[in-house]
Amino acid sequence: DGGITQSPKYLFRKEGQNVTLSCEQNLNHDAMYWYRQDPGQGLRLIYYSQIVNDFQKGDIAEGYSVSREKKESFPLTVTSAQKNPTAFYLCASEGLQGGGTEAFFGQGTRLTVV
Amino acid sequence: KQEVTQIPAALSVPEGENLVLNCSFTDSAIYNLQWFRQDPGKGLTSLLLIQSSQREQTSGRLNASLDKSSGRSTLYIAASQPGDSATYLCAVINDYKLSFGAGTTVTVRA
Repeated sequence: DGGITQSPKYLFRKEGQNVTLSCEQNLNHDAMYWYRQDPGQGLRLIYYSQIVNDFQKGDIAEGYSVSREKKESFPLTVTSAQKNPTAFYLCASEGLQGGGTEAFFGQGTRLTVV
Repeated sequence: KQEVTQIPAALSVPEGENLVLNCSFTDSAIYNLQWFRQDPGKGLTSLLLIQSSQREQTSGRLNASLDKSSGRSTLYIAASQPGDSATYLCAVINDYKLSFGAGTTVTVRA
């Protein structure tokens, strides 16, 4: 089955730790995105990548880092510089699907600071 | 910067009533518009995709319209059911970025 896989589903981080969220897609999409969602709020763009070895900051990139070494993978690292990391993180990919470009999402990773 | 607004923020209707969800965007130079459904604690499921050259798309009880010139899209859900209870989000693509509205949370009462 084609799709996007995020892991882990739940992640706990201690103060001062860096953690990495995984996002893998087998849809052969060029574009991938990371969003953050807080309770009662919309999705805010953290980083996006249109092609391998290239990525751009979104609206709230501070305290986060990404890499895009392979087309299939776009991991997100939440660094200790991110002061309020507790949130729901969603990864998406976008590409040609049935004649138009369409975005697909993973099931999300819920990160909690303990 | 693209701004996407969804009205209303929440909606509660009795089962069987038709639903009308609105989405507006400030930059009409969009590539396409997509409607998603999100259940609590879950990812987003794509419902309908409207390309910029199209005016509407239909899938079962769902119909979405797009008026690019006025920066508006409307999602219609016919004969609502309790299983339609969820948050519905619209997203537009332009400048190689997906921009989202905050969503409309729908409750369908049995």
